[in-house]
Order: sequence, then structure tokens, then C-alpha cells
Amino acid sequence: GAVVSQHPSWVICKSGTSVKIECRSLDFQATTMFWYRQFPKQSLMLMATSNEGSKATYEQGVEKDKFLINHASLTLSTLTVTSAHPEDSSFYICSASPWASGQFFGPGTRLTVL
Amino acid sequence: DAKTTQPPSMDCAEGRAANLPCNHSTISGNEYVYWYRQIHSQGPQYIIHGLKNNETNEMASLIITEDRKSSTLILPHATLRDTAVYYCIAGQTGANNLFFGTGTRLTVIP
Repeated sequence: GAVVSQHPSWVICKSGTSVKIECRSLDFQATTMFWYRQFPKQSLMLMATSNEGSKATYEQGVEKDKFLINHASLTLSTLTVTSAHPEDSSFYICSASPWASGQFFGPGTRLTVL
Repeated sequence: DAKTTQPPSMDCAEGRAANLPCNHSTISGNEYVYWYRQIHSQGPQYIIHGLKNNETNEMASLIITEDRKSSTLILPHATLRDTAVYYCIAGQTGANNLFFGTGTRLTVIP
């Protein structure tokens, strides 16, 4: 099956710093990737849609200047949490679709902001 | 995307079949039924999907009613490793985002 990786798998940072999370499709190309966020005991919430070569589309309530998304190639999308604060601590998950089928998800990145 | 409704939790004895129901009464003609599961602290894992015919793969079977308003995911012989939250999602194929509801927390009991 299609494989999506994320790096890092977990990160701890100080409040006010920026953190970059990478999402890679390892065995397929993806013009579109999705970024989700999941708080403890809650379901996944879509944050934004990452489009290769163009600007990301953000869901309502998600600050585009805080969560910077770059989709520079067909196999890589990055999410940068700028000036992170404790309330940004969450489980961040990306996904991509290799064909007209289901989506495949990365293993997730757990961010803890101190 | 159509909304789905699932029971919040279910238990299943190890070795028995686990039957997870899902209602999607407002599903549109071009929306598929997808099933994913999420084991604690991991990304969702794709299980199976279908449009209107029943589907089977190495993980599970998907039974979709003729009117497509509901479906059932069947894990034929549940193991302890099948303990997870199972999400039923109605959505379009390909590069379209998926809306995750609250899912069903399946606990497989020894």
C-alpha cells in the first residue's frame, strides 16, 4: 500500500519558537496533501489542504500566518507552527491520496510546547 | 460530505467477529463509504472502502445496504490488536479531504 511518512515523530519546544513538520509520500506523487490536528480524546480536525505549487487552503478558524504550509514538490509538504504556544500542543497528522481511492495517513507528529 | 453516525463504543470477544455499524442516510451518489481505524497515538489506518457493492480484503469485509443508507464493517476474527477507534466516513475519492466523526471505540476482550 501507499506509504506516507512524517518527521519528526515527536518534538518538544519552548514557547515562542517555531517548529517544522515534514510530510512525505514515499512511493507515490501527491499534488494534494492534507493536514489534520487531533487533541486528546478528540477526533481529527482538518486544518488545511496543501496544494503543490500553489497556496494552501485553510479551514475556518485556522490562522494561515501561524500555520505555514509549503508544498514544494509532489512528495513533500511541510507545516511550520510559528511562535508556538502551549495551546498548540497537539497531534499533527498529514495525509495524501495516490490515486482515485482512499487517503493514506502519516504516523503523526506529537508536538509539546512548554 | 455526508454525516455518519456510529455507536460510541463496542466490545468484542477475541476470536469472534466484530460487526461495526454505521449510518449514512444522507450519502450522495458519488460518495464512497470509507473505513479507517486509529490505534492510540498513531495515524489513521485505511481499512476498506466501497461505493455500493460489498467489498472484502485481507483486513475486513464491508457490507453496504442496497439503499446505501447504512453499512457494516466486519472483522471476521477479532484479535487484541484490533482494539482501536474505527471511523466510518462518507466522502469522494481521490484528493478530497475526509471528515472524521467521533468513531466507534472497539475493545477486543481476551
